[in-house]
Amino acid sequence: DQQVKQNSPSLSVQEGRISILNCDYTNSMFDYFLWYKKYPAEGPTFLISISSIKDKNEDGRFTVFLNKSAKHLSLHIVPSQPGDSAVYFCAAKSGISSGSARQLTFGSGTQLTVLP
Amino acid sequence: EAGVAQSPRYKIIEKRQSVAFWCNPISGHATLYWYQQILGQGPKLLIQFQNNGVVDDSQLPKDRFSAERLKGVDSTLKIQPAKLEDSAVYLCASSFGGLQPQHFGDGTRLSIL
Repeated sequence: DQQVKQNSPSLSVQEGRISILNCDYTNSMFDYFLWYKKYPAEGPTFLISISSIKDKNEDGRFTVFLNKSAKHLSLHIVPSQPGDSAVYFCAAKSGISSGSARQLTFGSGTQLTVLP
Repeated sequence: EAGVAQSPRYKIIEKRQSVAFWCNPISGHATLYWYQQILGQGPKLLIQFQNNGVVDDSQLPKDRFSAERLKGVDSTLKIQPAKLEDSAVYLCASSFGGLQPQHFGDGTRLSIL
């Protein structure tokens, strides 16, 4: 049972344009969401996060939007740069009240390619 | 700040052999995690330590996998005996805990022949 889903395995965008990566989740106990970026042969690197009490968080070129009613979040990268080409993972944490150890549940990733 | 260190980077073994991976977390990080990432999937948590105690090992196949963090710093993950389906990248991560982001090492790529 995939609780965090990234339905697009790949996305190609022209340099300078906006990249939009999507993520859906099914577990209503998730209350904290993160995006990680991964280059080949390296470990994932934390990019940006958002708490369920917010609907938007911005950090430079990266903005994460959360729609709790739709159980959907998205990562916007503007403007996209060739160095942004990587696999992007969406991840979610459940709340302490659920009795979990607040483990991260990852999606399967989206390969972003930014074309020069 | 030095990152999470893992070794070896690559390991090739035959099925039914044993293998061990080592992880040194970022200094001061009390929480340490081991993940398994199969090709085309996201990382899956195997075990989580808080200092030298196990917090969550619900997804660790305990009949063949074991992990320890004896002094609350370094950790080792062992597989014995290995199966073909254990071919994956094994990632170690550490954090201060709570909502602090996890920092990942570069992983060990394990191939089972």
